[in-house]
Order: sequence, then structure tokens, then C-alpha cells
Amino acid sequence: NAGVMQNPRHLVRRRGQEARLRCSPMKGHSHVYWYRQLPEEGLKFMVYLQKENIIDESGMPKERFSAEFPKEGPSILRIQQVVRGDSAAYFCASHGGSDYGYTFGSGTRLTVV
Amino acid sequence: EDKVVQSPLSLVVHEGDTVTLNCSYEVTNFRSLLWYKQEKKAPTFLFMLTSSGIEKKSGRLSSILDKKELFSILNITATQTGDSAVYLCAVDSYNNNDMRFGAGTRLTVKP
Repeated sequence: NAGVMQNPRHLVRRRGQEARLRCSPMKGHSHVYWYRQLPEEGLKFMVYLQKENIIDESGMPKERFSAEFPKEGPSILRIQQVVRGDSAAYFCASHGGSDYGYTFGSGTRLTVV
Repeated sequence: EDKVVQSPLSLVVHEGDTVTLNCSYEVTNFRSLLWYKQEKKAPTFLFMLTSSGIEKKSGRLSSILDKKELFSILNITATQTGDSAVYLCAVDSYNNNDMRFGAGTRLTVKP
């Protein structure tokens, strides 16, 4: 049981480029959450997805950010035209729906230069 | 709006000391409160609390919830340098699809 897998672990992008962050939930988990952690701050909710559906995207910035969780493959958090303020650690968590034991991935640290 | 406030924001102690970390919350339709330990990477789950007054214990760590006063504490006794981390409190409600996190308490344990 490999747990929640996120990749890449570190991602460097120049301003204006696109960033794609991947999250494979734990086996059997169909609920995926994305969080952003800015330096010295707590985790902030971005989006909650189930397979092929966005359930709650109330924490997502209105522009440049999108997320998907296709029927096959990992969940993707996509940031277009990155800016310096997007630099943060992005964590993915999953759970199986009936339990509260969210499991977190190790995160992707995005640096925009 | 749901809110989770942790205190202190940072704390420096020496090995062997006992520490108490605080988490207060305002949330409608409370379901559970969770404590996580975050070292360099992903937060790791410590406790989930749903009922008032029942202490959860794991080794030198313990936690209790007060649903009337809307707070929880996390105690660590006989601290060790390996306890140095950010401790995150999160609240889960029936209203939201996510957990609301506090900003965390950064604990540093000096030898």
C-alpha cells in the first residue's frame, strides 16, 4: 500500500509557464483534496474531487487554476501562467469516503522564478 | 465563516519539558477535530476527537476536546528533540467538504 503519491516533489517554473501537479490517492480511495501551504501558514483548502467530478472548488482561485480527477490516472492540479505568488507547497490528501482518516501525500513544492 | 485558531504560534522548550498546544474553533455542524504533526513533508495524523471530555492518548502525546468551550489541547510530556515539528489542528464539519486548518504551532525542542 503505497499511500498517497504526489509528483514531482519539487517543481521550478518561470513566470508565465504552466505547472502540472499530480496526485495518486491511496488504493481504494476515491476522494481527493488539494491544499496549498504558503510559508508560515496553515494548509488552505483548494478543491475536493471524486472520480470525474469536482465536488467543491470553493478554495480555488477563479483564474489560472484548474483540477481534474479522471476515471483513469491521477488527479491533476494545473496552474497556468504561474506567478511568483503561486510558490508554495501543494498537498494532496485522500480518503475512502466512510472514514475520517485523511492520508496526505508528501507534497509538491512549487517555486516560480 | 468557520475558523480555527492555534496558540501559541511558536514555542521553544528543552528536552524533558511538558508542553500544551491549544486549538480553538468556530464551526457550524461540527463533526470532528484532528491533530496532525508536520515535519518536513506531509502532515501525519495524530488524533481524531469527536466527543467532549474523552482523552485520547498515544505514548507521550494526549489530546482532549471541549465541545462546550470549543477548544482542544494537545499535550506532550517529556519532550524529545524528535518532537520538533509544526502541529496542525483541523476541524471537520458536516457542512463543508474539507477540513479547516489552523496556522499551526511550531514546536522546537532543544537538547
